[in-house]
Amino acid sequence: RKEVEQDPGPFNVPEGATVAFNCTYSNSASQSFFWYRQDCRKEPKLLMSVYSSGNEDGRFTAQLNRASQYISLLIRDSKLSDSATYLCVVNKQVGDTGRRALTFGSGTRLQVQP
Amino acid sequence: DTGVSQDPRHKITKRGQNVTFRCDPISEHNRLYWYRQTLGQGPEFLTYFQNEAQLEKSRLLSDRFSAERPKGSFSTLEIQRTEQGDSAMYLCASSFSRGQPYEQYFGPGTRLTVT
Repeated sequence: RKEVEQDPGPFNVPEGATVAFNCTYSNSASQSFFWYRQDCRKEPKLLMSVYSSGNEDGRFTAQLNRASQYISLLIRDSKLSDSATYLCVVNKQVGDTGRRALTFGSGTRLQVQP
Repeated sequence: DTGVSQDPRHKITKRGQNVTFRCDPISEHNRLYWYRQTLGQGPEFLTYFQNEAQLEKSRLLSDRFSAERPKGSFSTLEIQRTEQGDSAMYLCASSFSRGQPYEQYFGPGTRLTVT
């Protein structure tokens, strides 16, 4: 079983739609949680961190359920420019090296259509 | 540009050849990471430096792979005797060790094609 699981999609939605992505993680030692965005043939970029209390950044809302080991991302009023792959990422301290290990899901592809 | 840079952006090589990639992190960042990403997958961790010390290597990093960060600034990743399975995007990322160390900033990657 993969440490971070995501529905690969693609999600094809019209402009203005609301779309939700889900992610589950298997390691209960995971400490921090993120959504990264990756455009085609580009590097991943941090979209937002995910907090237990839930957090919102404009049209984007992220939520975390530690008990269920479940993370979600909601995008409201989708724009054409939101078309990308959304990577669910968990992070934990690794041993004594101080490394904060980022473990990525395989990503969910979103295509917003005019 | 003050972000993470990588060179070259693309590399095509024949099986059996050696290749070397370079990463220049954000100048204030003391942590540097290498990842590999294949089509349809998320990035997978390869190795990690804090300053010039290589503190961890993934099991993905076979003996044909070696990474260095000699002065704690730029890093190189060398692949010897390349194989077709090495074809991937190689991503470098950097971060601070204080504050919010989990915020890793990625470079544009080096896309390797082994023919």
